[in-house]
Amino acid sequence: SQTIHQWPATLVQPVGSPLSLECTVEGTSNPNLYWYRQAAGRGLQLLFYSVGIGQISSEVPQNLSASRPQDRQFILSSKKLLLSDSGFYLCAWSPTGGWREQYFGPGTRLTVT
Amino acid sequence: GQNIDQPTEMTATEGAIVQINCTYQTSGFNGLFWYQQHAGEAPTFLSYNVLDGLEEKGRFSSFLSRSKGYSYLLLKELQMKDSASYLCAVRDGDYQLIWGAGTKLIIKP
Repeated sequence: SQTIHQWPATLVQPVGSPLSLECTVEGTSNPNLYWYRQAAGRGLQLLFYSVGIGQISSEVPQNLSASRPQDRQFILSSKKLLLSDSGFYLCAWSPTGGWREQYFGPGTRLTVT
Repeated sequence: GQNIDQPTEMTATEGAIVQINCTYQTSGFNGLFWYQQHAGEAPTFLSYNVLDGLEEKGRFSSFLSRSKGYSYLLLKELQMKDSASYLCAVRDGDYQLIWGAGTKLIIKP
């Protein structure tokens, strides 16, 4: 069966500090991978998605970036965090083809102070 | 523009039935999804509709009318553990989902 891991679970970072969130998927090959952000009481905002190694599509202009160095690894980064970057960050995967449902990791709650 | 509307909050009684509505206006349509999200947790997949009609899965059913841009999630025999937010999402292209803000369902004993 497939499993998706995300870490860390919670993170408190000062404004201007760097960020690195990691997501890995087990039990499947060539998944589509997604990074979402969810502000309190709001819907999910798609940040990035990837259909293969090194292929990243960005949905919103921001100070965040994403990379996919391996087939089942997806990394979200920032060089300098802003207060507005606070939120619940979710990684998700779907089977190759993209038309199937997405499955979410446990999420990282980021607070920028 | 792309828009998905859901009620912000609903209240129901344990053991009863509740219907959560979702209306959408998207440039394309390749399926509609319902997810459940407990407070502080990640969303979990509940149902998928791509053709008109009702899909039943245990206590949960989901209905779709593509001509009306409308879906609902029906929860029967409500239990306290069903207290959660329910998210409606539409796939308008190949990979991306357009998400509603979610409906917070409060179950009272």
